[in-house]
Amino acid sequence: DADVTQTPRNRITKTGKRIMLECSQTKGHDRMYWYRQDPGLGLRLIYYSFDVKDINKGEISDGYSVSRQAQAKFSLSLESAIPNQTALYFCATSDSGRGYTEAFFGQGTRLTVV
Amino acid sequence: QKEVEQNSGPLSVPEGAIASLNCTYSDRGSQSFFWYRQYSGKSPELIMFIYSNGDKEDGRFTAQLNKASQYVSLLIRDSQPSDSATYLCAVRRDDKIIFGKGTRLHILP
Repeated sequence: DADVTQTPRNRITKTGKRIMLECSQTKGHDRMYWYRQDPGLGLRLIYYSFDVKDINKGEISDGYSVSRQAQAKFSLSLESAIPNQTALYFCATSDSGRGYTEAFFGQGTRLTVV
Repeated sequence: QKEVEQNSGPLSVPEGAIASLNCTYSDRGSQSFFWYRQYSGKSPELIMFIYSNGDKEDGRFTAQLNKASQYVSLLIRDSQPSDSATYLCAVRRDDKIIFGKGTRLHILP
């Protein structure tokens, strides 16, 4: 089983619908991140969380919200999906206990808004 | 200025040659530096990290860091067709991990 699991893996939704992407991890890491990836734009940080009480906006948080339900779970919501939110979304984790704290990624969720 | 900049490529390198990938970053407070490899449609996977000035070698890969010039590079020796992928440079600053747009590398058989 993957250490960082994202559900669903693929989703097609209609404009205006609310959608939630979920992420769970078994690595025991305290840091969790949501990124989106668009062709030619690399990975852009949406939100990040250091623990259940600490949520921070990234560079492109507009139109998104998050919930850190537990140390192991971090959900991303699109309150009213729009077509330009069509992208590949990645959840990632890292460990604050290590000095170089690399990010470990989930398998990704491909979201299409029509 | 983007926080992490990379040439998007594609960079074409003959099989067996050395591939050289470059990255610059804007924030001198950046603490750690990472190179990820990403195959199309897959998640990024870490191949190297470095946090001290100088070179760090791991097998066919060498990461180089120059904090004075705010420059990170990745060398891939004896390039193989399986090295064809997008390479993402990332920096850690205050527990945010910021990525560049990536460089597409194509190894020519």
